Amino acid sequence: EPEVTQTPSHQVTQMGQEVILRCVPISNHLYFYWYRQILGQKVEFLVSFYNNEISEKSEIFDDQFSVERPDGSNFTLKIRSTKLEDSAMYFCASSSVPSDRAGGNTIYFGEGSWLTVV
Amino acid sequence: AQSVTQLGSHVSVSEGALVLLRCNYSSSVPPYLFWYVQYPNQGLQLLLKYTTGATLVKGINGFEAEFKKSETSFHLTKPSAHMSDAAEYFCAVSDRGTGRRALTFGSGTRLQVQP
Repeated sequence: EPEVTQTPSHQVTQMGQEVILRCVPISNHLYFYWYRQILGQKVEFLVSFYNNEISEKSEIFDDQFSVERPDGSNFTLKIRSTKLEDSAMYFCASSSVPSDRAGGNTIYFGEGSWLTVV
Repeated sequence: AQSVTQLGSHVSVSEGALVLLRCNYSSSVPPYLFWYVQYPNQGLQLLLKYTTGATLVKGINGFEAEFKKSETSFHLTKPSAHMSDAAEYFCAVSDRGTGRRALTFGSGTRLQVQP
């Protein structure tokens, strides 16, 4: 079964450093997302990306964050100047277009990348 | 803005007992509704979803959920719990008809299954 894959599974970084989290969405999907889950809290939406541009973003997704689809398969989340409060599990996800009978609005998640900022 | 309420952050049942995890949403237009499961140290896996049609939706691993518009609810049930069902369960919604695709999650319910 196709799946969303994420790397690294766990990264420890020093405060102030830049981090890039990588994702390979499901191959025929066109919508891509990043969510995060701070330990013990809700899963929160960060950003969605379609047709090479951001289509939605939350208040969390400020200038510290950026996303990119550098090639035909990868989707990345860059966090600049990391802070302690950026420590969380970051989930990449993807979904197909609404006309896809099989997927509809289903969003498929990867296994996450644990980011620990020290 | 959408909100999702999951009553009970922890639910404990005996193996073989009924599982009932509650989810209510707040929205004037019924949203798309989802249940996701997160096993320890794993990502989010879709259990089931409601988009349209029959209000009783069957998912994987014997789970089902019923959309009740009058109660703005989408409770998750399983007739007989298994030890392997121990996990965290998240109810989520997304807007219908607005073009927004982002999911709004509830705070989750951790299910414990006692032998």
